[in-house]
Amino acid sequence: DTAVSQTPKYLVTQMGNDKSIKCEQNLGHDTMYWYKQDSKKFLKIMFSYNNKELIINETVPNRFSPKSPDKAHLNLHINSLELGDSAVYFCASSPYSYNEQFFGPGTRLTVL
Amino acid sequence: DAKTTQPPSMDCAEGRAANLPCNHSTISGNEYVYWYRQIHSQGPQYIIHGLKNNETNEMASLIITEDRKSSTLILPHATLRDTAVYYCIVRATGKAAGNKLTFGGGTRVLVKP
Repeated sequence: DTAVSQTPKYLVTQMGNDKSIKCEQNLGHDTMYWYKQDSKKFLKIMFSYNNKELIINETVPNRFSPKSPDKAHLNLHINSLELGDSAVYFCASSPYSYNEQFFGPGTRLTVL
Repeated sequence: DAKTTQPPSMDCAEGRAANLPCNHSTISGNEYVYWYRQIHSQGPQYIIHGLKNNETNEMASLIITEDRKSSTLILPHATLRDTAVYYCIVRATGKAAGNKLTFGGGTRVLVKP
């Protein structure tokens, strides 16, 4: 009955590879987000989707492409992975224009 | 969104109240104060938010000064499970403002037995 789930929890890969992280929420929310937490522990928003429509894109390299097949899912695809992409990626959801965002458990990505 | 300033760390005794300060001197009239926390290796968790009035829920109380330039999050009876990084965030709400949360460095709270 997890509210916001992410897969995989850990992802280790080589530089140059392409990988995807999946996110699903069963809360019936309209809006979903991706955040990145780097090694210095700063959390930064990357993207926000509302009803499958992109509403926030925070100058993220175009190697990162979010995909929302329906409003319960927001996947993150990363092309040509670089060492600097190593981080913990958090998915979140909320009803649109609502105060509380619900975060997933995170995906720790390590690029070697 | 207005910038916030928090102490980088603080210790608290188990069972005592923990008072976490936050300065947001450039806050605008339509901006709310939010508090989230992140327990080690977990996703952030919403705690409470407020605009002008003091707020209380099952987790904490939020005291906002009359000029709204600072606030204090109060954990009434801290437990070891409250050890976490606590983030004070100021942002406007509504569709025009978007729903972006801008996290700062937060306050690392260590609750000691």
